[in-house]
Amino acid sequence: QKEVEQNSGPLSVPEGAIASLNCTYSDRGSQSFFWYRQYSGKSPELIMFIYSNGDKEDGRFTAQLNKASQYVSLLIRDSQPSDSATYLCAVNNNDMRFGAGTRLTVKP
Amino acid sequence: ETGVTQTPRHLVMGMTNKKSLKCEQHLGHNAMYWYKQSAKKPLELMFVYNFKEQTENNSVPSRFSPECPNSSHLFLHLHTLQPEDSALYLCASSQAVQDYGYTFGSGTRLTVV
Repeated sequence: QKEVEQNSGPLSVPEGAIASLNCTYSDRGSQSFFWYRQYSGKSPELIMFIYSNGDKEDGRFTAQLNKASQYVSLLIRDSQPSDSATYLCAVNNNDMRFGAGTRLTVKP
Repeated sequence: ETGVTQTPRHLVMGMTNKKSLKCEQHLGHNAMYWYKQSAKKPLELMFVYNFKEQTENNSVPSRFSPECPNSSHLFLHLHTLQPEDSALYLCASSQAVQDYGYTFGSGTRLTVV
């Protein structure tokens, strides 16, 4: 079983739509959860983190965490072509474990 | 300079060569990491240094040898690599090992021929 699992995509949404990215993790003791964005040919960039169950909003981004279901998601509202990238879910319990990423394409 | 700086950006080396990757962070962070990123695979954690002490070696072959002389600098010494070691090698740093997000360097694209 993969430690952090994401749908590899590609996920394609039209400009202005909501993009929903999902992630599940296997280590029930995990305490902190992160979303990174990685543009092609670039390094990952931290965009959101969440520690508690529920929703956390930052601008157009909302992270959602459900520890009982071992599930974390990222919603991107009003998607823009500049949001096109690979989104990496990461889970930290003593060290950071990453999913393989979901490739998002936002079409104009 | 700010952030996390990695050199070189690109490296081509033969299987018998010895080379080193360098990482420097200007963020005052206490933890530094080496990750390997291969196509369509999750980032693989290789080494963790916390306050310049190695706290994790994730079953990495001995042909990869890390060095952390201080909290701001991290090296990855390479020798007798294999073609399957070709990948993007990313350095990252964080304020602490737990509960903090990482800042990544731009990476070194390594090709072993």
